[in-house]
Amino acid sequence: EAGVTQFPSHSVIEKGQTVTLRCDPISGHDNLYWYRRVMGKEIKFLLHFVKESKQDESGMPNNRFLAERTGGTYSTLKVQPAELEDSGVYFCASSNGGIGNTIYFGEGSWLTVV
Amino acid sequence: AQSVTQLDSHVSVSEGTPVLLRCNYSSSYSPSLFWYVQHPNKGLQLLLKYTSAATLVKGINGFEAEFKKSETSFHLTKPSAHMSDAAEYFCVVSHTTDKLIFGTGTRLQVFP
Repeated sequence: EAGVTQFPSHSVIEKGQTVTLRCDPISGHDNLYWYRRVMGKEIKFLLHFVKESKQDESGMPNNRFLAERTGGTYSTLKVQPAELEDSGVYFCASSNGGIGNTIYFGEGSWLTVV
Repeated sequence: AQSVTQLDSHVSVSEGTPVLLRCNYSSSYSPSLFWYVQHPNKGLQLLLKYTSAATLVKGINGFEAEFKKSETSFHLTKPSAHMSDAAEYFCVVSHTTDKLIFGTGTRLQVFP
């Protein structure tokens, strides 16, 4: 069974450009999460989808970030326009949901804004 | 509010010696606690989790952690370190399981 897959694994863009990160959750997982770790900081929650609905987007840093999950399958996270402080690792994760259920993480998308 | 504190940013051990990675948590509710590991250029992998069952939790690769409510601790241990254990380890707390609160990470080095 395939795990959580993320694309691209690495990207380098210039300040002001747009980047779109994609996440494919484990098949059958209704819950999809985005987390990120910026340089020198801890991994922080961004948002949570249940199917195609945003359950909790309290961690989204500002309106330059837009997450979508059309059809309740894969998700995209767009950063527009990118700023230097957006550099870091963006993790996607998925789960079946419920107390005690395991959240499975992807390998991350490493974003560098120059 | 919930939080975790990982008391050491770096830990170095020799291969074959015990590993101790320390974690203290703060939670207003009965927490779920996890340890995740990230090897270089890899994703986050769940090592073990505590969800109010047995206080001594066994995980993968010989790791275990003990939930101590009186000390608000959830330290990760392994009797004998292996070179392949070199990685970054994250202590994580959650009330709902849907929003994980990560510690700042402990980087484990293992010397031959």
